[in-house]
Amino acid sequence: DTEVTQTPKHLVMGMTNKKSLKCEQHMGHRAMYWYKQKAKKPPELMFVYSYEKLSINESVPSRFSPECPNSSLLNLHLHALQPEDSALYLCASSQLTGGSGNTIYFGEGSWLTVV
Amino acid sequence: AQSVTQLGSHVSVSEGALVLLRCNYSSSVPPYLFWYVQYPNQGLQLLLKYTTGATLVKGINGFEAEFKKSETSFHLTKPSAHMSDAAEYFCAVIDSGAGSYQLTFGKGTKLSVIP
Repeated sequence: DTEVTQTPKHLVMGMTNKKSLKCEQHMGHRAMYWYKQKAKKPPELMFVYSYEKLSINESVPSRFSPECPNSSLLNLHLHALQPEDSALYLCASSQLTGGSGNTIYFGEGSWLTVV
Repeated sequence: AQSVTQLGSHVSVSEGALVLLRCNYSSSVPPYLFWYVQYPNQGLQLLLKYTTGATLVKGINGFEAEFKKSETSFHLTKPSAHMSDAAEYFCAVIDSGAGSYQLTFGKGTKLSVIP
């Protein structure tokens, strides 16, 4: 099973709203990722959690706040977003061992529209 | 720093024809290479990967890719295109660091299949 589950699939929010995106995996992976993807572009890395600790923040604005409550869950809290933040948000996970364990598996994504 | 170049942002083939999507990489260390496919309005799905060992790698849906170190290439092929292959294809190289793994993506190639 190589499934990463993301909810919700679609989210429309106003610029003053607070919402969260959720991600879950049960593959025992100890690294989890948030990517942002705009139309016709490759995904861009936002955050990486390793062993439930934030290890990489790619200079993401503070209106995006990640959280890793445990090794299976990853959240992305959204507050005061701008219309240009509308995009597909992809969660991913991977093991932290060498060889084939390097594969990063993606979820189906959450489509976010900021109005 | 590693980089990936995908030649051709858009490739069109006739149904039943050979599919060839080109990918060249730049890496100072032996790379781990991946092809992901993204169908319309979906997340990224792993097609195949090269880590070590056999340089000809077979993936899902009849796709395969060959790692050629001398040419720094990892081109994706499929002998006979099917309408269902129409999608965006991303070549990626992985780098390890900071206790996690980061993917560097190419810009993507959109494959259209003409009936």
